[in-house]
Amino acid sequence: EAEVAQSPRYKITEKSQAVAFWCDPISGHATLYWYRQILGQGPELLVQFQDESVVDDSQLPKDRFSAERLKGVDSTLKIQPAELGDSAMYLCASSQPDHYRGTPYEQYFGPGTRLTVT
Amino acid sequence: GQQVMQIPQYQHVQEGEDFTTYCNSSTTLSNIQWYKQRPGGHPVFLIQLVKSGEVKKQKRLTFQFGEAKKNSSLHITATQTTDVGTYFCALINDYKLSFGAGTTVTVRA
Repeated sequence: EAEVAQSPRYKITEKSQAVAFWCDPISGHATLYWYRQILGQGPELLVQFQDESVVDDSQLPKDRFSAERLKGVDSTLKIQPAELGDSAMYLCASSQPDHYRGTPYEQYFGPGTRLTVT
Repeated sequence: GQQVMQIPQYQHVQEGEDFTTYCNSSTTLSNIQWYKQRPGGHPVFLIQLVKSGEVKKQKRLTFQFGEAKKNSSLHITATQTTDVGTYFCALINDYKLSFGAGTTVTVRA
């Protein structure tokens, strides 16, 4: 069964350093999402891509976070500089486009990158 | 924006017992999805509910969408240790998911 790939699985960094996370969605999935999940809470959407275009980044702290999906396939999420409060699980998810079904498709999540900022 | 509240936050269940977790919204929902996240794992899609009053079953799990489409429930019968994890409901707005805080289920053998 196809899966969403993410790397690294774990990352420890010092505050003020830069970090980057990579995601490879399921082949053929046009929509890609980055979420942040703080322990004990539900995932919170940071950014949504449709192909290579950003559809929603309203919750992305743009002063320090950036995301790109240059060729509409894999994606990178970057934090610079990292702060202590950025410690969390960063989840990537993908889904098929919904154009021909009329209701949203389910999202497939990757294993996540657990970030610890010291 | 729209938000959902999940109750209870924690559910401690004796193996073999039934329980229900609820997802409530103050506004009418177009549809709702449920996900399960095992400890240390990532969310996995369970079901999507679209129609008012819809009921869907997956083995021992029964999902229901309220008649007014403002609430949803997940009922698990004969709880097993494999049911351990956090169950999230997620409302859909403009094809974006907004997750509730989840119900974390632990099972006593």
